[in-house]
Amino acid sequence: AQSVTQLGSHVSVSEGALVLLRCNYSSSVPPYLFWYVQYPNQGLQLLLKYTSAATLVKGINGFEAEFKKSETSFHLTKPSAHMSDAAEYFCAVSGAGSYQLTFGKGTKLSVIP
Amino acid sequence: DAGVIQSPRHEVTEMGQEVTLRCKPISGHNSLFWYRQTMMRGLELLIYFNNNVPIDDSGMPEDRFSAKMPNASFSTLKIQPSEPRDSAVYFCASSFPSGGRDEQFFGPGTRLTVL
Repeated sequence: AQSVTQLGSHVSVSEGALVLLRCNYSSSVPPYLFWYVQYPNQGLQLLLKYTSAATLVKGINGFEAEFKKSETSFHLTKPSAHMSDAAEYFCAVSGAGSYQLTFGKGTKLSVIP
Repeated sequence: DAGVIQSPRHEVTEMGQEVTLRCKPISGHNSLFWYRQTMMRGLELLIYFNNNVPIDDSGMPEDRFSAKMPNASFSTLKIQPSEPRDSAVYFCASSFPSGGRDEQFFGPGTRLTVL
């Protein structure tokens, strides 16, 4: 069984500030982990994924995430927020041999000018 | 590549009417997923097809919901009869699975409003 917990349904940051979105997972098998972004009135778009290679994963738009097995975490970061980063972000987990993605509830990111 | 295509983008209907949502997956992808997104419940997997065969429909809420995939390039999700609580955004996603490590590609969604 797999589950994802995203801490904070809404996060606000100032433009240029660090973005940190938290994700903790639970998985009975080695996990594959994903971050998706959803802009208003659009579908989900993949930001980055961890599939058991490097623990620090770089994605699109300057985002990165670090897989920490000891903390069962996969937090998403970006050094400097841009207005265009305002969106909802979803963490998801899958397992080896599994087709199913289990999504967190999402975190809505607001960027203040 | 055009990505996953869904139609219609918006649907407004009255309670009791039949609703059909359509999806064209990315060419070459052999897995297709239907999701429902609501404020209360977030993203829920409704049904999963592999090679046009329904593998897991445990997320389908009730018998009013049905899904088909007659060929590799087309799928439908039907609600009959529709109810106000079915109002949500319905997403279709496709992937070419490799043991869980492949991402799913999402369509733009259909926003359904049942009055």
